[in-house]
Amino acid sequence: GQNIDQPTEMTATEGAIVQINCTYQTSGFNGLFWYQQHAGEAPTFLSYNVLDGLEEKGRFSSFLSRSKGYSYLLLKELQMKDSASYLCAVRGGGATNKLIFGTGTLLAVQP
Amino acid sequence: NAGVTQTPKFRILKIGQSMTLQCTQDMNHNYMYWYRQDPGMGLKLIYYSVGAGITDKGEVPNGYNVSRSTTEDFPLRLELAAPSQTSVYFCASNTPSSYNEQFFGPGTRLTVL
Repeated sequence: GQNIDQPTEMTATEGAIVQINCTYQTSGFNGLFWYQQHAGEAPTFLSYNVLDGLEEKGRFSSFLSRSKGYSYLLLKELQMKDSASYLCAVRGGGATNKLIFGTGTLLAVQP
Repeated sequence: NAGVTQTPKFRILKIGQSMTLQCTQDMNHNYMYWYRQDPGMGLKLIYYSVGAGITDKGEVPNGYNVSRSTTEDFPLRLELAAPSQTSVYFCASNTPSSYNEQFFGPGTRLTVL
């Protein structure tokens, strides 16, 4: 079967660092995406990993271990505007580019 | 570019009514997708298309139909609306390149009463 697991909710303090984990079991793997979704809005792209290792983009970094079926999103220097849901999505095999989404992690950043 | 646009933004339907959710993209993307998102949940793929004239079912296609007569447009049709179809519907598009994030429309919030 296809399964993507993320924590449901997390809370962190402004200025701190938070790590959001994602584990996956899918038939085929062709990349992992992280999206940010503010309440009532559409998801927006944050990062993409297809090879093992860390991808850094400003305050956001994403890590992938294909052998462990594991990824994390690291958010540094948290700001209040980072309060949002973070969706992990895996692109399975094949040429259709379909994504399988996790249920998302709702992050609340507190002052 | 306007990106991916969806209409309407909100709609209330009565049980048994039908409607079409419109989706248009101006980025010349071959691939288009329809998702639904229930409260507190991730996105579930309803239908997708890899080009004009080609569509296929996703995870949750029952109760929906799609067509893709042009590259730009990918309408989603609900026949005989049911309360279980109350959800937020997102349309997305991308290109078939290796680094191919999906671009999402603003969503349509549908309530079936």
